[in-house]
Amino acid sequence: DAGITQSPRHKVTETGTPVTLRCHQTENHRYMYWYRQDPGHGLRLIHYSYGVKDTDKGEVSDGYSVSRSKTEDFLLTLESATSSQTSVYFCAISEISGDTGELFFGEGSRLTVL
Amino acid sequence: AQTVTQSQPEMSVQEAETVTLSCTYDTSESDYYLFWYKQPPSRQMILVIRQEAYKQQNATENRFSVNFQKAAKSFSLKISDSQLGDAAMYFCARETSGSRLTFGEGTQLTVNP
Repeated sequence: DAGITQSPRHKVTETGTPVTLRCHQTENHRYMYWYRQDPGHGLRLIHYSYGVKDTDKGEVSDGYSVSRSKTEDFLLTLESATSSQTSVYFCAISEISGDTGELFFGEGSRLTVL
Repeated sequence: AQTVTQSQPEMSVQEAETVTLSCTYDTSESDYYLFWYKQPPSRQMILVIRQEAYKQQNATENRFSVNFQKAAKSFSLKISDSQLGDAAMYFCARETSGSRLTFGEGTQLTVNP
């Protein structure tokens, strides 16, 4: 199993508060991703990183920022949480080896914004 | 936006029977990867099977196989001899550049004993 740890696994917060989710990997993979999962939408890409300090937006990036100061850590920040950001957040990693494109996922973080 | 569509929100199958989950996608690329992921109630995303678009032969992994129709942009998953442990949400996904995946909406599979 890929060594991916997400924290916190569960969080309840109030509208307007900042929230940071952390993804930590022990695989030394180059690519890291944040997805959100909502009923009827599958998983949608928020932001991704292709190296230290190299990040880019996904399809649902509004209201989110990310940082990657070390290969092993990828942080997702909600500067001012809103109820529409209540979701399950998944971190994923990938190392394009032989161009397989396979993603390995963390266990998810459930965020509830009241 | 390039999309992945799973037209069956829910499916059910009897234990030991065969079920097919549908997936269609769009893309302008000629070489890409397609995936099926399984998400059981534990929420963990598990890779079931992958297909390389340039390969004509359909991928197979034990009881799981795909029917890949490149011209039709169709990528269905067949589960043979269904088991109770196969009950899960199944997601079809297509690779885009930078190893990003675009996912379908998911199909919830129920296996009846």
